[in-house]
Amino acid sequence: EAGVAQSPRYKIIEKRQSVAFWCNPISGHATLYWYQQILGQGPKLLIQFQNNGVVDDSQLPKDRFSAERLKGVDSTLKIQPAKLEDSAVYLCASSSTKSGNTIYFGEGSWLTVV
Amino acid sequence: GNSVTQMEGPVTLSEEAFLTINCTYTATGYPSLFWYVQYPGEGLQLLLKATKADDKGSNKGFEATYRKETTSFHLEKGSVQVSDSAVYFCALGLYSSASKIIFGSGTRLSIRP
Repeated sequence: EAGVAQSPRYKIIEKRQSVAFWCNPISGHATLYWYQQILGQGPKLLIQFQNNGVVDDSQLPKDRFSAERLKGVDSTLKIQPAKLEDSAVYLCASSSTKSGNTIYFGEGSWLTVV
Repeated sequence: GNSVTQMEGPVTLSEEAFLTINCTYTATGYPSLFWYVQYPGEGLQLLLKATKADDKGSNKGFEATYRKETTSFHLEKGSVQVSDSAVYFCALGLYSSASKIIFGSGTRLSIRP
């Protein structure tokens, strides 16, 4: 079974530029998550989708971050404009009731804002 | 609210030493508990889990027991190896209409040969 796929793995941008990350969850997983992990901290949930609907986006900085999952499969997370403090690893994860609700993570997209 | 508190690192041990990383939680309802591991340059991997009180999760020589009376889920390993060097995250999972997982801040473990 293929895991959660993310791209790009690494990205360096200047502040005020924009960036987009893509995620393809495990096949059949209805729930998709985007987490932000700042160096030295635990992952923080940014947004959670159930199929193509948003379940929780309470910690998403909506003035600069947006995410969509239009067809209920893959998802895109966008940052525009980026700030220095957005430097982090962006982790995509997915889960399914059929897999016992265990959450599986991708390898992450490492963002550096300079 | 729901939260996870884990032992601050870094933790440095010699190879074959006994390992304990403490984790306590606060949660409403009946969460599941997890330990995730993150090796250098890699994503998070599920190490073990327990879904109800008194369950013991185990994997790769690591163990943790879900203790409801002390709201704890401490990670243990009898004899660590250099390859166990990583960051370990304790987490709790909440299930209503969909899963939600809340992480602790992580504990960095370094094993000396």
